[in-house]
This record gives sequence, C-alpha cells and structure tokens, in this order.
Amino acid sequence: GENVEQHPSTLSVQEGDSAVIKCTYSDSASNYFPWYKQELGKGPQLIIDIRSNVGEKKDQRIAVTLNKTAKHFSLHITETQPEDSAVYFCAASLGSDYKLSFGAGTTVTVRA
Amino acid sequence: DAGVTQSPTHLIKTRGQQVTLRCSPKSGHDTVSWYQQALGQGPQFIFQYYEEEERQRGNFPDRFSGHQFPNYSSELNVNALLLGDSALYLCASSLAGWGIDYGYTFGSGTRLTVV
Repeated sequence: GENVEQHPSTLSVQEGDSAVIKCTYSDSASNYFPWYKQELGKGPQLIIDIRSNVGEKKDQRIAVTLNKTAKHFSLHITETQPEDSAVYFCAASLGSDYKLSFGAGTTVTVRA
Repeated sequence: DAGVTQSPTHLIKTRGQQVTLRCSPKSGHDTVSWYQQALGQGPQFIFQYYEEEERQRGNFPDRFSGHQFPNYSSELNVNALLLGDSALYLCASSLAGWGIDYGYTFGSGTRLTVV
C-alpha cells in the first residue's frame, strides 16, 4: 500500500518567518495530495490540495509544490502568524482509491 | 449547514468490552469513512461505507466492524477492546459521485480510552 513519510516532526519558527514541511510517497500511481491542519480537540481541516497534473498551487500565504519524478511534495507557509500553530498532515491518494494515506504529522509552533 | 457530527466526544471503556461510535455525515453526503488516529500519529484508514455496504477496508482486524443506515449515518463497532485501541476515532463524509478529492470532510472525532 501507499506509504507517506513526513518531515520534520516538529518545527518552531519566529512570527513572520516561513515554514516548510516535506513529504514523500511510495506509490507512483497516487494522484491527489491534500494537506490538513489539525488544532487541539478538532478533526483535520483541509487547507490546500494539489493534483498530479499540477506542479504548484498557491492560496494566499500557503503554497504546495509537487515533484512527481521524485515522489515528493511540500507545504510552504509564508509570513507565519500565531494562529498557524497546529499539527499539519500531508496525505496521498490513488485516483481509484477511497482512502487517504497520511503522514505522521508536523507540530508547528509560531513564536511571537 | 451542519458538518460531520460524531458522538460521543469522549469515552472510557475497560479492556475486553465492546464499544459503538456514531457518525452523522455532512448534509448531502452519502459516504462515510472511519479513521483511527493514535496519539502523535496520522489517521489510519479503517473502512468506508457506501450504500450500506463496506466498500473498502484498511489493515484492521475483524474486531472492527461497521454499519451504515439508510439515512447515511454510520456506526463503528469495536469488540474485545485492547489497550492499543485507545485513540481518536475520526469519521469523514463525502459524496460518492465526486471522488475523494472533493468535499471530503472530517468530524471532530471520538476520543476512546481503554483502561
């Protein structure tokens, strides 16, 4: 099955700096890559996603890049704010599949 | 418009007991997926229900079973509870015709503690 690895496991940044989280996947047939933000006591919330026919996608301060050849994708958060502090998960899915395979998560702390 | 609702929010059970968790999908959704999230880990897919049938299953033992009702709500049952079953159980709903890449919405989960 699909195996998704995520790094780093923890990330501490100064407010206003950028944060980058990287993920790799094992199944070259995967074609959908969402990123989720999970705050304490809540379920994962989709923040951005990318499909395999696109190399980069941006939504305000958040961007995701995908390298299909290397089988890795990354989340970039610019101008970090205290409310960006949370656990972030990457995930991957096959087009014919009904499930998401998640990474282990990255705890992001934004220092004021 | 209510999102995905799960009940109860917290639950404590004794090893060997059985537990039932409930999920109501987002309005308009007809498919329910269940995930187990151990502390400090990413969610792991348990199974998905569509048209009252289990459509796909992850790598979980038969102690984990489910059901979907005609109104699309779903239950997750776990028998013979083990300490290792302690986790946050998440329900996600979606619309079958749209695929996994559209409208996949998670609930806030049920925190199960097995003692």
